[in-house]
Amino acid sequence: AQSVTQLGSHVSVSEGALVLLRCNYSSSVPPYLFWYVQYPNQGLQLLLKYTSAATLVKGINGFEAEFKKSETSFHLTKPSAHMSDAAEYFCAVSEGGADGLTFGKGTHLIIQP
Amino acid sequence: GAVVSQHPSRVICKSGTSVKIECRSLDFQATTMFWYRQFPKQSLMLMATSNEGSKATYEQGVEKDKFLINHASLTLSTLTVTSAHPEDSSFYICSASLAGGTDTQYFGPGTRLTVL
Repeated sequence: AQSVTQLGSHVSVSEGALVLLRCNYSSSVPPYLFWYVQYPNQGLQLLLKYTSAATLVKGINGFEAEFKKSETSFHLTKPSAHMSDAAEYFCAVSEGGADGLTFGKGTHLIIQP
Repeated sequence: GAVVSQHPSRVICKSGTSVKIECRSLDFQATTMFWYRQFPKQSLMLMATSNEGSKATYEQGVEKDKFLINHASLTLSTLTVTSAHPEDSSFYICSASLAGGTDTQYFGPGTRLTVL
């Protein structure tokens, strides 16, 4: 069985500040890890994914995440927050094959002007 | 590219009726489609996985006779909520991928179902 834990249901940062959204996973096999963003009244959009290649993954909109096996983590970061980054962020894990995704509970990112 | 649409975006129905939700991959062929359910302010929960031309695989606790899934073609999957009740009210989201699991899943915008 696999699971995802996102620490912090709400994260608030100032515009221009570092964004750090935490994600820890558990998986019985090498995982595939994803970060999705959901804007209000819209579907989920893939930010980035880790599929056993480079441990530092760069995504869209300046986001990146680092896979750390020893810490079972896949935290999402962005050096400088923008007002348009305000949204709900979901971390997800898949064990491959024909599995669907197991999602974390999501983190609501608030950007303070 | 990789656009997934859902129809309808919102539906309100009376208790006891059935509702069909369509999920289409508009510009690619999807060998696998997934159906998720999202409760307010909560995460997405996988309901079932469907491969074109075969029966869907349901997650534990999901009633297959209540949530009928048909994946008739490589671009269309449907979810029918049969004999809907108020507790079925939720946000239903589909996703599609070229190769299930490891490949990227492209998500539809979701369907808001309200059962009165």
